[in-house]
Amino acid sequence: DTGVSQDPRHKITKRGQNVTFRCDPISEHNRLYWYRQTLGQGPEFLTYFQNEAQLEKSRLLSDRFSAERPKGSFSTLEIQRTEQGDSAMYLCASSAPGTGRPETQYFGPGTRLLVL
Amino acid sequence: DAKTTQPPSMDCAEGRAANLPCNHSTISGNEYVYWYRQIHSQGPQYIIHGLKNNETNEMASLIITEDRKSSTLILPHATLRDTAVYYCIVRGYTYYGNNRLAFGKGNQVVVIP
Repeated sequence: DTGVSQDPRHKITKRGQNVTFRCDPISEHNRLYWYRQTLGQGPEFLTYFQNEAQLEKSRLLSDRFSAERPKGSFSTLEIQRTEQGDSAMYLCASSAPGTGRPETQYFGPGTRLLVL
Repeated sequence: DAKTTQPPSMDCAEGRAANLPCNHSTISGNEYVYWYRQIHSQGPQYIIHGLKNNETNEMASLIITEDRKSSTLILPHATLRDTAVYYCIVRGYTYYGNNRLAFGKGNQVVVIP
């Protein structure tokens, strides 16, 4: 399968614990986006990378959140000291820049986080 | 990016064409219309996009009005597997910038047997 993959698909943790999610983008896609989706809402932008550089972070991304893309390939999203409000689906998307038009983002299946 | 308005929900008959409307009256000249859908508990799936001409692919057709203030996504023969939340998104283009997708709440489409 050559699509975007995410691991794990589901994660249950206790409040205060740290969690880390991984995203493997489509091969040769140099842009990678993270979104968060809560129940009944559309996905909301968190941050994005062009190659290994993190170029923008949303205000939704508090200091407890950190994302990396060390070699410009896979990315990790870590949440420290989880809170119940962090319960959501975390989505990763990748894209290759278009020429003269917005690129199409392709999404992974998401990681569903439940904080107890 | 311009704001879009979609109905919160709609039903469609299986086997019939499903016409999903979207209003984007403040769209600017260089903004594209994108459609994604999200089947329950899955990641969003890209469907189609267009600038001003009508577009068709293996999944759907996109009809954009001449003034570009609204569009319609057409699923030619709806099946039960087309039941999903459909998102209409308007976005501009910056080669070096953040081309984030601004999702609204979408249109919950239910295909009825």
